[in-house]
Amino acid sequence: EVQMVESGGGLVKPGGSLRLSCATSGFSFSSYSMSWVRQDPEKGLEWVSSISSSDSYIYYRDSVKGRFTISRDNAKNSLYLQMDSLRAEDTAVYYCARDFRNGYYVFDYWGQGTLVTVSS
Amino acid sequence: QSALTQPRSMSGSPGQSVTISCTGTSSDIGSYKYVSWHQQHPGKAPKLIIYDVSKRPSGVPDRFSGSKSGNTASLTISGLQAEDEADYYCCSYAGRYTAVFGGGTKLTVL
Repeated sequence: EVQMVESGGGLVKPGGSLRLSCATSGFSFSSYSMSWVRQDPEKGLEWVSSISSSDSYIYYRDSVKGRFTISRDNAKNSLYLQMDSLRAEDTAVYYCARDFRNGYYVFDYWGQGTLVTVSS
Repeated sequence: QSALTQPRSMSGSPGQSVTISCTGTSSDIGSYKYVSWHQQHPGKAPKLIIYDVSKRPSGVPDRFSGSKSGNTASLTISGLQAEDEADYYCCSYAGRYTAVFGGGTKLTVL
């Protein structure tokens, strides 16, 4: 059974940092591209960042470039998102998602999400 | 990276059919077959119900179907059931290694 569990969310002040983790099991993690997708009540779902199976290719949405860093550890079957210089508009539930089309963003499994709140 | 356009809400009675539209541009839906639909119940993670425009993952009832014409994709739910009440999101590959989602449609089963 595919399982993906996010952690690391919480309350942080503007300008602060958080590191999200996504622990996976039940599939060959090193064979899939992975993404972070966030959701807030106002803007719905929003793709944030993706990383290829061997971390050769990394992409970000414009609004997080230079502030967020995606990474993965295939030995630990885990995905990460380092978020720096956080802004109020980054407040959302963050999901890790498996891209079974490896680069074409077809997300077949999602974690349960972790809430990030950026507020003073 | 503009969001795809979906109706904010729709409703239908049990047994009826509803079709949710998702309008994009020639840079996303109009150019690629990688259109997917996700169902989300309150407090739950999204669940893939349609991929590659019209394919259903294993376990998804055949009441759910997808199609595309030009820059608009559609999700049709036939024989509405109470458990179909949820939020539905479309998603498309948007080129240049990005993805774009719709704003979501809240489906109410009357």
